[in-house]
Amino acid sequence: QVQLVQSGAEVRKPGASVKLSCKASGYNFANSFIHWVRQAPGQGLEWMGIIDPSGGGTKYAQVLQGRLTLTRDTSSSTVYMDLSGLRYDDTAVYFCARALFMTNLKLDYWGQGTLVTVSS
Amino acid sequence: QSALTQPASVSGSPGQSITISCTGTSSDVGGYNYVSWYQQHPGKAPKLIIFDVDRWPSGVSSRFSGSKSGDTASLTISGLQTEDEADYYCCSYAGSSTLAVFGTGTKVTVL
Repeated sequence: QVQLVQSGAEVRKPGASVKLSCKASGYNFANSFIHWVRQAPGQGLEWMGIIDPSGGGTKYAQVLQGRLTLTRDTSSSTVYMDLSGLRYDDTAVYFCARALFMTNLKLDYWGQGTLVTVSS
Repeated sequence: QSALTQPASVSGSPGQSITISCTGTSSDVGGYNYVSWYQQHPGKAPKLIIFDVDRWPSGVSSRFSGSKSGDTASLTISGLQTEDEADYYCCSYAGSSTLAVFGTGTKVTVL
């Protein structure tokens, strides 16, 4: 069965970086896309970016350009999300989600979410 | 890219039908037939319930239906059930540079 398993909760100080992982299983990792979506406490969903695991191509939300980097390791079917220059308002639950096509945003399987807390 | 606009809350009694709107622009909702809807219960990951405006993923109840007119997409829940009480988010493709934008979210309460 399709599964996306994310790494555990993280606590960082303002200005630091955090790197989260999302390990995929149960399907052809290369024939899909992985999106990252975050949700601040009590707030709505925010689209962050997408990576094409086969070629490594990425697109990022404009508000995160320069701070967000998505990478992948095809040997372990894992996608990584690196967010730098952390601010207090980056405190959120971060989700990865699978889509078989880039444009239709059919995010059919989601990871369990990872809480990132930015605190001094 | 601004978030798509949804009503903050919608409520209904069991068995009734409710509709949630999702208003964008010609650069997102109005420009493409790529609107999806997600249901999220507290503390859980979102669940896909509609994609491509009006298509159901496998295993999702047909009580959920989607439509679009101009720059506004809509989700209708028919035969409202207590387990439908959750937050609902729309999401639209917004072009090759921005790619995706979510709605502000709607809390559905079953009275």
